Amino acid sequence: EVQLLQSAAEVKRPGESLKISCKTSGYSFSSYWIAWVRQMPGEGLEWMGIIYSGDTGIRYSPSFQGQVIISADKSISTAFLQWNSLTTSDSAMYYCVRHSGLGAIDYWGQGTLVTVSS
Amino acid sequence: QSALTQPRSVSGSPGQSVTISCTGTSSDVGTYEYVSWYLQHPDKVPKLIIYDVNKRPSGVPGRFSGSKSANTASLTISGLQAEDEADYYCCSYAGTYIWVFGGGTKLTVL
Repeated sequence: EVQLLQSAAEVKRPGESLKISCKTSGYSFSSYWIAWVRQMPGEGLEWMGIIYSGDTGIRYSPSFQGQVIISADKSISTAFLQWNSLTTSDSAMYYCVRHSGLGAIDYWGQGTLVTVSS
Repeated sequence: QSALTQPRSVSGSPGQSVTISCTGTSSDVGTYEYVSWYLQHPDKVPKLIIYDVNKRPSGVPGRFSGSKSANTASLTISGLQAEDEADYYCCSYAGTYIWVFGGGTKLTVL
């Protein structure tokens, strides 16, 4: 059974750093692409970026380029999303998702809620 | 890449049909046959209902169908049911390992 298990909710202060994780299981990690999707409170879905070929290819949506860092450790089948300096506008639910090739997102993690508040 | 354009809201009565549009550009929807649709109930994880423009994953009712013409994709839900009330999002591949979502449409079943 394919599973994407995300790390627990986080509460941070502005300026702090954060790295959230997405541990996958039930399939070959290097054979599929993992992306991150943001959903701000009461808002829609925003595609942030993707890591493919296990861990060697990374692409960011222009809106998120330079704002976050996507990485992965294929030895533990886990993808990561990190911020070096959080702002209150980073408060959102973050989903890791699996892309089925160029087509659809076929699996979603349960989401990690990030709250940034002073 | 700009977000794909969806109507903010649509509505219909039980048993009726509704169509949700998703307008992109020649750089995304107009070029690639990789449009997908997701529904999201409040406080739930989104669920795939259409992929590759018009294909349904196993378990998705035949009431859901997708199509595309030029830069606009569409999701049609026929025989509306109360449980169809949700937010719907389209998503398109935009080239070079980039995807873009639509802004989302709230479907109200009257």
